[in-house]
Amino acid sequence: EVQLVESGGGLVQPGGSLRLSCAASGFTLSNYDMQWVRQTTGKGLKGLEWVSAIGTDGDTYYPASVKGRFTMSREDDGRSLYLQMNSLRAGDTAVYFCARVGRYGAYDYWGQGTLVTVSS
Amino acid sequence: DIQMTQSPSSLSASVGDRVTFTCRASHNINNHLNWYQQRPGKAPKLLIYDTSNLQSGVPSRFSGSGIGTDFTLAISSVVPEDFATYYCQQTYSMPGNTFGQGTKLVI
Repeated sequence: EVQLVESGGGLVQPGGSLRLSCAASGFTLSNYDMQWVRQTTGKGLKGLEWVSAIGTDGDTYYPASVKGRFTMSREDDGRSLYLQMNSLRAGDTAVYFCARVGRYGAYDYWGQGTLVTVSS
Repeated sequence: DIQMTQSPSSLSASVGDRVTFTCRASHNINNHLNWYQQRPGKAPKLLIYDTSNLQSGVPSRFSGSGIGTDFTLAISSVVPEDFATYYCQQTYSMPGNTFGQGTKLVI
């Protein structure tokens, strides 16, 4: 059974750092493209935004909103993903999900999410 | 970036109704459009990929259609567990995919 389990979220001050982890089971991480996706919190409809991607070749990609601040990596054992987040801002407050990219680019499996709150 | 617009933001329905959700892309995305369902406190769940392909395990009351810039998700007969928020996602440009803002299905 495919499972993704995130950890590492919490409360951090603006300018601080946090490292998120995603433990994968039931498949080999290096055989799939993977992404980190975040969802803003609060009332009403909550936006979804990709914040990092790693290909099967190990190349990484980031949107402009986090480029230079976030770094995605993958353990060689094929079981863990990481997201190192530096210079955090209030706007980075969100639930962070790791997701597997399946057929046609759709996210076929998601973790349960981990909440990151950036506040003084 | 390709912008995705969903309408309406909220949709009222009763059990047994047929409902449709609309998603419009700012550019032609061919058929690279996916739909997700999200219940409160849970991760999104993939329903439909590549416009009209039902993800394994998803009930057949869900269907998707469209091409180019205009897409639709339909539920043929709503059941209680369908009351949730629905998001569309374009994967024409990867990894820079984008989501719509969502449509909440309410009783």
